[in-house]
Amino acid sequence: EPEVTQTPSHQVTQMGQEVILRCVPISNHLYFYWYRQILGQKVEFLVSFYNNEISEKSEIFDDQFSVERPDGSNFTLKIRSTKLEDSAMYFCASSGAGANVLTFGAGSRLTVL
Amino acid sequence: AQSVSQHNHHVILSEAASLELGCNYSYGGTVNLFWYVQYPGQHLQLLLKYFSGDPLVKGIKGFEAEFIKSKFSFNLRKPSVQWSDTAEYFCAVTAAGGYNKLIFGAGTRLAVHP
Repeated sequence: EPEVTQTPSHQVTQMGQEVILRCVPISNHLYFYWYRQILGQKVEFLVSFYNNEISEKSEIFDDQFSVERPDGSNFTLKIRSTKLEDSAMYFCASSGAGANVLTFGAGSRLTVL
Repeated sequence: AQSVSQHNHHVILSEAASLELGCNYSYGGTVNLFWYVQYPGQHLQLLLKYFSGDPLVKGIKGFEAEFIKSKFSFNLRKPSVQWSDTAEYFCAVTAAGGYNKLIFGAGTRLAVHP
């Protein structure tokens, strides 16, 4: 069964450092998403991406965040200058032409010290 | 704005007990509804979904959910739980038609004791 793969599975970084989380969506999917889950809290929408541009973003997705699809397979989330409160599990997801059924990756746990 | 509320944050059951997890959503239009499960240390997996048609939907692993439009509810049920059902369960909603972001509930952590 096709999978969404994410790397790294766990990253520890110092406050103020830049972090890039990588995702390889399912190959024929068209819509890409990032969600995050702070420990003990709900899964929150960050951003969606379609046709090489952001289609929607939440208020969490401020200027410190950016997304990119640098080639035909990867979808990255960059946090420019990490803060303690960015510590969370970040999930990448993708969906096909119907757009409504998301397949999630295993997540990247980010710990900011 | 859409929102999802899950009534139970933690549920503890013994094996073979019946399960019902509540989910209510808030949205004025037509919705698509989902239940995702997250087993310990694993990613979110789709349990079942409702788009249209029969409001009683069956998913994997013996789970089912019933969409009651008048109550804005989409409760998850399983007649007899197993230890392996220990996981966190998330209800989610999106507006029907085309792309729309998933809005998740806070999740219900289920612990099943042998």
